[in-house]
Amino acid sequence: DTAVSQTPKYLVTQMGNDKSIKCEQNLGHDTMYWYKQDSKKFLKIMFSYNNKELIINETVPNRFSPKSPDKAHLNLHINSLELGDSAVYFCASSQSPESNEQFFGPGTRLTVL
Amino acid sequence: EDQVTQSPEALRLQEGESSSLNCSYTVSGLRGLFWYRQDPGKGPEFLFTLYSAGEEKEKERLKATLTKKESFLHITAPKPEDSATYLCAVQATSGGSYIPTFGRGTSLIVHP
Repeated sequence: DTAVSQTPKYLVTQMGNDKSIKCEQNLGHDTMYWYKQDSKKFLKIMFSYNNKELIINETVPNRFSPKSPDKAHLNLHINSLELGDSAVYFCASSQSPESNEQFFGPGTRLTVL
Repeated sequence: EDQVTQSPEALRLQEGESSSLNCSYTVSGLRGLFWYRQDPGKGPEFLFTLYSAGEEKEKERLKATLTKKESFLHITAPKPEDSATYLCAVQATSGGSYIPTFGRGTSLIVHP
């Protein structure tokens, strides 16, 4: 069974559009994350939620809005997409914010044309 | 600001040729240093956490060590299936938050 799943796996869209990426974990974890990995493989945390509450909000443009409807789901909505948003977005989860081991999803490759 | 530098950027080895990957870090107060493995087109997979200088962890052909300034991931007699990008990350103790800072990774290719 898949532990952390993301949809879609690939997303190709035009500049200016709005898109969403969905994430679900079936591990029973309390904490979920969104990361962005650029073309040079640099992985940077964007947001983290613990029990549906936002606990980490790094310097991310406010065009990016996460939403956690429940502990098992964390979605990412992006408004007015820009070329620089092209990257691979990873969702991850862990038992708690202090947990050292994070479980990552397979990633969503976003291409903005 | 926390920083993590990994070297080399890329490493090619012959099967059975042991080597080490380096992760140098500067952090205000180290809570933990993590190693992850990432295969092409997949998410990172957790390998180890090290907490204090002198600590070592092993898993199959991999052994991670930690000093006050750097960590090494030693690969003994690697096999082609060890080919992947290895990511290092640190987590600081300051501010009560648990924000991981990742390095850019070392891309390892092991030739048969």
